Amino acid sequence: AQSVTQPDIHITVSEGASLELRCNYSYGATPYLFWYVQSPGQGLQLLLKYFSGDTLVQGIKGFEAEFKRSQSSFNLRKPSVHWSDAAEYFCAVGDSGSSGGGADGLTFGKGTHLIIQP
Amino acid sequence: DAGVIQSPRHEVTEMGQEVTLRCKPISGHNSLFWYRQTMMRGLELLIYFNNNVPIDDSGMPEDRFSAKMPNASFSTLKIQPSEPRDSAVYFCASSGGGQPQHFGDGTRLSIL
Repeated sequence: AQSVTQPDIHITVSEGASLELRCNYSYGATPYLFWYVQSPGQGLQLLLKYFSGDTLVQGIKGFEAEFKRSQSSFNLRKPSVHWSDAAEYFCAVGDSGSSGGGADGLTFGKGTHLIIQP
Repeated sequence: DAGVIQSPRHEVTEMGQEVTLRCKPISGHNSLFWYRQTMMRGLELLIYFNNNVPIDDSGMPEDRFSAKMPNASFSTLKIQPSEPRDSAVYFCASSGGGQPQHFGDGTRLSIL
């Protein structure tokens, strides 16, 4: 069975500083990987996805993530955070047998709560 | 384009009552998913449909939960009878054309 681990429950970063959120997955083949962001009272918004090809993927809002097969990781990064980035971030894995990773259910990590200090 | 639309946004009811959550997927999407979010268990997949057909309902907690998708533009998740431990945020998501899932804003359910 596939699983996702986000080892950091909370992370506090100063505004303007760089950010890295960790994600490790367990999956038998090359998975489809996703990062979603959730603001309070809102649904999940897709930041970026990895299906295949270039292991460094760019997303919205200045985020990027790097797929490292040897480490089973898909860490999210941003060079300079803004106060509006404060939110809950979820890493998810989907079945690579599905079309685009969208046709099967996703397995989510428990999330990382990002706090931005002024 | 309108996103995934869920109703109601909030529901408060007493235990034992029937609860019906509704979802309208994005037009043209052929996959629909129901997830539940709690503090203890995080986001869990309950059930999903492809082309209106239920594919995997192994995440449905027990027989009190049921889901239907009578057509491509509507789905319901029903809990009967409801219990306090069913209190959670329930999300609906849809996808199509090989694209990732898009989520609704969720229904916050409180069972007293």
